[in-house]
Amino acid sequence: QKEVEQNSGPLSVPEGAIASLNCTYSDRGSQSFFWYRQYSGKSPELIMFIYSNGDKEDGRFTAQLNKASQYVSLLIRDSQPSDSATYLCAVLWGDMRFGAGTRLTVKP
Amino acid sequence: GAVVSQHPSWVICKSGTSVKIECRSLDFQATTMFWYRQFPKQSLMLMATSNEGSKATYEQGVEKDKFLINHASLTLSTLTVTSAHPEDSSFYICSARGSGRASPEQYFGPGTRLTVT
Repeated sequence: QKEVEQNSGPLSVPEGAIASLNCTYSDRGSQSFFWYRQYSGKSPELIMFIYSNGDKEDGRFTAQLNKASQYVSLLIRDSQPSDSATYLCAVLWGDMRFGAGTRLTVKP
Repeated sequence: GAVVSQHPSWVICKSGTSVKIECRSLDFQATTMFWYRQFPKQSLMLMATSNEGSKATYEQGVEKDKFLINHASLTLSTLTVTSAHPEDSSFYICSARGSGRASPEQYFGPGTRLTVT
């Protein structure tokens, strides 16, 4: 069965710190990887996507992909209380498969 | 970015009645739309995938006769929960993937919170 695994957390970091969110996936054939943020009671919103091995940076967010290890991560620099949310890792193979999400709390 | 709307945003209905939820892509044509359900503190669960003009593909364990999906146009898909029961109370979210778009990301609607009393 194709799976996407995330540590459910909660992950708590102080304001200004780097938050590191991790995700592993089971299907080596996966090509596209996504990070979504979901606030409580809201639907997910796309933060960024990555296709190639290595790092991809967008503002305070950096996605890292290692296809050999089947691992994708999201780093949030200078974390803010407004970053407190559940972060969903998603992997595309035909349709989008989501991890269970990691709950992040950024404490002022 | 792409915009997906859902209507209604919330609905309360009595057990045994049917509820229709609409999902629209506002600024792009969505060849594929997805319907998810999310229970409190749980992850998104894919219910079905619909392609414009064809029958929806349901995930294992999802009753196709209970959750009717219609994707009649490139901008509209509907989910009808028939004979709803309290256990159907959940957050229903649609997402859409466009045609002719270079990247495969999906954009989510704001969700519909269904409460069945």
